[in-house]
Amino acid sequence: QVQLQESGPGLVKPSETLSLTCAVSGYAISSGYFWGWVRQPPGKGLEWIASIYHSGSPYYNPSLKSRVTISVDTSKNQFSLELSSVTAADTAIYYCVRDRNGAWGANFDYWGQGTMVTVSS
Amino acid sequence: DIVMTQSPDSLAVSLGERATINCKSSQSVSSNSNNQNYLAWYQQKPGQPPKLLIYWTSTRESGVPDRFSGSGSGTNFTLTISRLQAEDVALYYCQQYSSTSYTFGQGTKLEI
Repeated sequence: QVQLQESGPGLVKPSETLSLTCAVSGYAISSGYFWGWVRQPPGKGLEWIASIYHSGSPYYNPSLKSRVTISVDTSKNQFSLELSSVTAADTAIYYCVRDRNGAWGANFDYWGQGTMVTVSS
Repeated sequence: DIVMTQSPDSLAVSLGERATINCKSSQSVSSNSNNQNYLAWYQQKPGQPPKLLIYWTSTRESGVPDRFSGSGSGTNFTLTISRLQAEDVALYYCQQYSSTSYTFGQGTKLEI
């Protein structure tokens, strides 16, 4: 069974860079699929951040593109997110997801449990 | 960006009755390759990540009860839950994919 687990600091200072990692188990990233990040501010809706194919080729939410970097490490079976110049508006639960973009439409079929990141000094 | 607008924002339905949630996209979300729509629905319960229910507008994800169904075309889509059960109380989101970008609706809260 595919499982995703986010890790990273729960508190980030304004203007700094948020860095998160998602460890995947039960499936080898190198076998296929895209892998991505979705966030959810407290009490609010969902926002897709970015996705990346197992061999590279990232794509980003246009509204966040200038601040976001997504990368994949198939040797560790994990992928990562960096979001620079954070503000309080970036406070959210960050979910890592398997992005099923292809024959099954384009959707997110596996989700991590999410990690809360607060931006505050 | 394509904007997804759900209605209503909240909905109260009696057990055993039907619930209908609507989702409207600001532009077409159809696939160029197979004439299907990149429209999915998710269910989110408190303290949990969202769960994929339906993709390609009307295809149920494996393990999803058949009381959940999706329909629609063009820019108007619907999630229907027939015979509402207590465990269906949740937030529901629609989601589209177009031009290498995803957006979600604002969510609909379903209550008994």
